[in-house]
Amino acid sequence: GAVVSQHPSWVICKSGTSVKIECRSLDFQATTMFWYRQFPKQSLMLMATSNEGSKATYEQGVEKDKFLINHASLTLSTLTVTSAHPEDSSFYICSASRPRGASGYYEQYFGPGTRLTVT
Amino acid sequence: ELKVEQNPLFLSMQEGKNYTIYCNYSTTSDRLYWYRQDPGKSLESLFVLLSNGAVKQEGRLMASLDTKARLSTLHITAAVHDLSATYFCAVDRALGTYKYIFGTGTRLKVLA
Repeated sequence: GAVVSQHPSWVICKSGTSVKIECRSLDFQATTMFWYRQFPKQSLMLMATSNEGSKATYEQGVEKDKFLINHASLTLSTLTVTSAHPEDSSFYICSASRPRGASGYYEQYFGPGTRLTVT
Repeated sequence: ELKVEQNPLFLSMQEGKNYTIYCNYSTTSDRLYWYRQDPGKSLESLFVLLSNGAVKQEGRLMASLDTKARLSTLHITAAVHDLSATYFCAVDRALGTYKYIFGTGTRLKVLA
């Protein structure tokens, strides 16, 4: 259980266009999902927290108008990179949060990632 | 500033040898997570450590957590080539929250 999918797995787009990435929790409902960005040979950086039914919370330095997040249902969050530029090329990973165990803590389950290349 | 630092950043070791990766953090988290990442892939969960003194083992990997020292270790026993990957630790940003801060990562290469 606790499977998270992302679509597409990779995408190439031209500078100035927009790209939408989907994140789905396949076998559980997730009120909270997270979007991360990872540059080559670097760690994961949290971009934003996506909450079902409310606005996303963006981390400091992340442009909310450039990275639009919509958490339309308990199993789907989307990240749209608007007016993409080559510096937006990166590996984008989402995670979905789910309670686990008797202690009730929430663990994040990660999607397979989407590699975005902007030419 | 909240920090999660791993040591070493790069590790090249011979098969059959033992080694330890260290994860120091500055948050008040009492939970710590270890992940493995293969090139071009996403994260694979290895261990979830939920309390001070927690120790978990799976195969050649063993992880422990000391929340007082804000330190976790990932010990590799008798390394094999298949363990070559990047290993990340992550902690909750603060006690009771569920936003992670990831460590800097340790790139492990096991030489045959």
